[in-house]
Amino acid sequence: GQNIDQPTEMTATEGAIVQINCTYQTSGFNGLFWYQQHAGEAPTFLSYNVLDGLEEKGRFSSFLSRSKGYSYLLLKELQMKDSASYLCAVRDSNYQLIWGAGTKLIIKP
Amino acid sequence: DTAVSQTPKYLVTQMGNDKSIKCEQNLGHDTMYWYKQDSKKFLKIMFSYNNKELIINETVPNRFSPKSPDKAHLNLHINSLELGDSAVYFCASSQGWREGYNEQFFGPGTRLTVL
Repeated sequence: GQNIDQPTEMTATEGAIVQINCTYQTSGFNGLFWYQQHAGEAPTFLSYNVLDGLEEKGRFSSFLSRSKGYSYLLLKELQMKDSASYLCAVRDSNYQLIWGAGTKLIIKP
Repeated sequence: DTAVSQTPKYLVTQMGNDKSIKCEQNLGHDTMYWYKQDSKKFLKIMFSYNNKELIINETVPNRFSPKSPDKAHLNLHINSLELGDSAVYFCASSQGWREGYNEQFFGPGTRLTVL
């Protein structure tokens, strides 16, 4: 079966750095996405990786290793507004997005 | 300005009723989706249409029926509602559905409560 694993919850301090990991086992691979979802709101797109390596976008970076079936989302200079769930999703060989259950990130002052 | 809109935002109804949720996108996208997000926050794809053609039809009860009158609209009709249908339903759209970015833009969600 297809599987995406992420930690259920993480806690970090305002101003610090946090890394959210995602491991996947899917039938084929056509890209990996990270989305942010604030409580009671819709998911919004953060990043897309299809080749190995690091993609940087302001305070957020996403890394992919296809051989290891592994990605991480790195958030720097954490702000209180970064408190949200972070969803990892992989597009499989049928171009269907397989979603992880999300990691709830709690930021403390 | 709204990119992907859904109505209604909240829906409270009795078991056994039939209800519809409407979705519209003004982004000019070709592909639209319906997702169900349960209490554990897991997003599960239900249906996807590309240019009004069904491309993803996951294993959902046939009480759920999508309808796409044109590529800007994808509505969801649910017959004989059950308690287990209580969830947040998200509509989303993307430019395409295969290679490339094709990031999905989500509507605000419809919180369905079945009593």
